[in-house]
Amino acid sequence: QQPVQSPQAVILREGEDAVINCSSSKALYSVHWYRQKHGEAPVFLMILLKGGEQKGHEKISASFNEKKQQSSLYLTASQLSYSGTYFCGTEEQFVGYKLSFGAGTTVTVRA
Amino acid sequence: DSGVTQTPKHLITATGQRVTLRCSPRSGDLSVYWYQQSLDQGLQFLIQYYNGEERAKGNILERFSAQQFPDLHSELNLSSLELGDSALYFCASSLGLGNEKLFFGSGTQLSVL
Repeated sequence: QQPVQSPQAVILREGEDAVINCSSSKALYSVHWYRQKHGEAPVFLMILLKGGEQKGHEKISASFNEKKQQSSLYLTASQLSYSGTYFCGTEEQFVGYKLSFGAGTTVTVRA
Repeated sequence: DSGVTQTPKHLITATGQRVTLRCSPRSGDLSVYWYQQSLDQGLQFLIQYYNGEERAKGNILERFSAQQFPDLHSELNLSSLELGDSALYFCASSLGLGNEKLFFGSGTQLSVL
């Protein structure tokens, strides 16, 4: 089952912060985050495991609320290079292996 | 460069035709995933293979089939093509099963006219 992402799009100025949310109605084993720039392939950002720690990437960090089956991606002090579409991917508990992605959140960072 | 190779990069064909998309995973990766990306559908999971065996299936149409060969490369076969099959098809690979970082290829843009 596809996770639900919000918001669909966000526009930021350099240096501003943003939060992207990802939720599922199913019990999750892990949440993945990827970023895709226009015309390019998605690129891995991080994985958050059930019972695991929050893992960060430069000024991009994320959290995983296992009770609510929700994850949030935090873009801190955004840079122009953060522009792109962010996808969360979820692996459901007991289903395994199948990584389903949300519809994506388009982030535009302006100077 | 992710190390995942997809060919061809672009494919233009007509309705009713059959095409084959090819993917070579990163060296050492045993898992291959296929995704379809349309403008209004995001990344749709199609199917996953691990070391030659099918391990997970998503919303893959019966007209579509895939396989992973002994050398670990994979092919996605699309038949009886319809206009709605036009999309960007990504292949991704990972070392093993589950909780793995995926490396995506640059995709095959399929246009069905």
